[in-house]
Amino acid sequence: EIVMTQTPLSSPVTLGQPASISCRSSQSLVHSDGNTYLSWLQQRPGQPPRVLIYRISNRFSGVPDRFSGSGAGTDFTLKISRVEAEDVGVYYCMQATQFPFTFGPGTKVDIK
Amino acid sequence: EVQLVESGGGLVKPGGSLRLSCAASGFTFSNAWMSWVRQAPGKGLEWVGRIKSKIGGGTTDYAAPVKGRFTISRDDSRNTLYLQMNSLKTDDTAVYYCTRELDWLFYNWGQGILVSVSS
Repeated sequence: EIVMTQTPLSSPVTLGQPASISCRSSQSLVHSDGNTYLSWLQQRPGQPPRVLIYRISNRFSGVPDRFSGSGAGTDFTLKISRVEAEDVGVYYCMQATQFPFTFGPGTKVDIK
Repeated sequence: EVQLVESGGGLVKPGGSLRLSCAASGFTFSNAWMSWVRQAPGKGLEWVGRIKSKIGGGTTDYAAPVKGRFTISRDDSRNTLYLQMNSLKTDDTAVYYCTRELDWLFYNWGQGILVSVSS
């Protein structure tokens, strides 16, 4: 099973300032088909998770462009260019390259 | 609009059983691969298991902690997904989410249903 880790686990940020979350996998997430199935999910308080980013850097439908993803192999990053109040929540990276799909522990983003 | 609505949760004693249902709408359920994902109180996300579409083979896969105790099934005529949970343990206490898998993503999520296992 691929183990996903995230840093930091908590990230207090100032409104309008950037935020960055790192995600690392215990082995390469490059699939045999050449794709890398690393996605980012956001879970707002009291809500189910929703997909933000898929295949490292593709924004899901309706996701604001202040969210961006990057990385390769085993190291990935989610960036929020300017944090807004509605971005408060927990962010998870998730791999779907190898079964079973696994999640990172989550990074809590809140406002300073 | 895609909707996934879970039901059937509640309080059950250790060793007991419970069946969750997920009513799906807004997409062709019979073609969908469906998964259950759970979240223990204050904790992260954990994939529980999956069922492929019948055209995809209809097979099921389970996470190690639930294998042999949980069974996922589907009724395509009712657009409904099920999770039969037997021999429940306190560690199974969680919100259970019904999800639709698409393109190697948990594309859509239900609102979740709470299962509490306690004596």
